[in-house]
Amino acid sequence: AQSVSQHNHHVILSEAASLELGCNYSYGGTVNLFWYVQYPGQHLQLLLKYFSGDPLVKGIKGFEAEFIKSKFSFNLRKPSVQWSDTAEYFCAVGGSGGSYIPTFGRGTSLIVHP
Amino acid sequence: DADVTQTPRNRITKTGKRIMLECSQTKGHDRMYWYRQDPGLGLRLIYYSFDVKDINKGEISDGYSVSRQAQAKFSLSLESAIPNQTALYFCATSDSGLAGNEQFFGPGTRLTVL
Repeated sequence: AQSVSQHNHHVILSEAASLELGCNYSYGGTVNLFWYVQYPGQHLQLLLKYFSGDPLVKGIKGFEAEFIKSKFSFNLRKPSVQWSDTAEYFCAVGGSGGSYIPTFGRGTSLIVHP
Repeated sequence: DADVTQTPRNRITKTGKRIMLECSQTKGHDRMYWYRQDPGLGLRLIYYSFDVKDINKGEISDGYSVSRQAQAKFSLSLESAIPNQTALYFCATSDSGLAGNEQFFGPGTRLTVL
């Protein structure tokens, strides 16, 4: 069975600080990996995804994530956060087979102070 | 994203009542999902459907049932609501034909069971 672990449950940063949110997964096959963001009062939307190719994935709003297969990790990064990045961030993992069901981590709440 | 809609957006009900949450999508996706979100627990899968004739239990299906009335509609029912079903409920869709299998979420239904 697949599982996802997000190490940071709550992160508080000042604007312009760098961000790295950890995500480790457990899955025996070829994976699809996702980061979703949920802004306050809104639904989840995709930040970025990896399913093949370059392990360094760039997403919207300056976010990127690196898939490190040997470490079973898919950490999310942003060099300089903004107040508008305040949100909850979810890592998700799924297999690449036709019947895959994604599994979500518990989420990381990010607060960015102006 | 208006492509995935949920009704109602908010609902307050009493213990023992039957409740139905509805989800509709105009994305033409074949797969639909119901999740509940609780603080600190992330998203947990209740039921999912890969097409109209396919219904599968997720991680926490007890106390819930679903109906896939058409490819575009997927309803979640609470047969006899209880207070610990108070949560934020999300419907999601995905397209099995798309690489990476990204999910698209509705705006959510906030359910309170008194």
